[in-house]
Amino acid sequence: SQQGEEDPQALSIQEGENATMNCSYKTSINNLQWYRQNSGRGLVHLILIRSNEREKHSGRLRVTLDTSKKSSSLLITASRAADTASYFCATDMDSNYQLIWGAGTKLIIKP
Amino acid sequence: EAGVAQSPRYKIIEKRQSVAFWCNPISGHATLYWYQQILGQGPKLLIQFQNNGVVDDSQLPKDRFSAERLKGVDSTLKIQPAKLEDSAVYLCASRPGLGTEAFFGQGTRLTVV
Repeated sequence: SQQGEEDPQALSIQEGENATMNCSYKTSINNLQWYRQNSGRGLVHLILIRSNEREKHSGRLRVTLDTSKKSSSLLITASRAADTASYFCATDMDSNYQLIWGAGTKLIIKP
Repeated sequence: EAGVAQSPRYKIIEKRQSVAFWCNPISGHATLYWYQQILGQGPKLLIQFQNNGVVDDSQLPKDRFSAERLKGVDSTLKIQPAKLEDSAVYLCASRPGLGTEAFFGQGTRLTVV
């Protein structure tokens, strides 16, 4: 079943601009994770934020989590052509080891 | 540390034929997932193992799909007979435990013609 929903479905920006993607979910979670998928490849883990955290940084990535609104956002600052990929959020409810995935945001960085 | 290994990378078969995919997770990872990913969509869980036991196979089309995890390590996913709508990327992933990230293989791209 799909729990996470990413918004927007697609995003095209100029290199150097910031990109923001959002994820909404339906049930209580233990943590929320963001992954990147380059065309034709497997998913790569970017960042994990726990339910008791509100913000987390990793390099040019900033993730926020609002459990009251059941939503998260991923901000990529100073985007590069190499950031072109699809980005997925996955929610971890902890009770059964299951990860629930959204449909993803396709990000295109124009040079 | 070696990553999740999957084979083959690509497979083209005719409808009604059978096909098998293999996955070797990261050593020590108890949880193993098989996902189906159709172009433009997110991963859809087919089956989830905890060691060699099935945790969730509610979305596995059991009339044609089967999966096993040998001795709680390697896993195989089989489709028999294949349909055109089975064309997708099949992803294997493993996790060391609760609340941790998942590690994915490169996937197998299946085309059914």
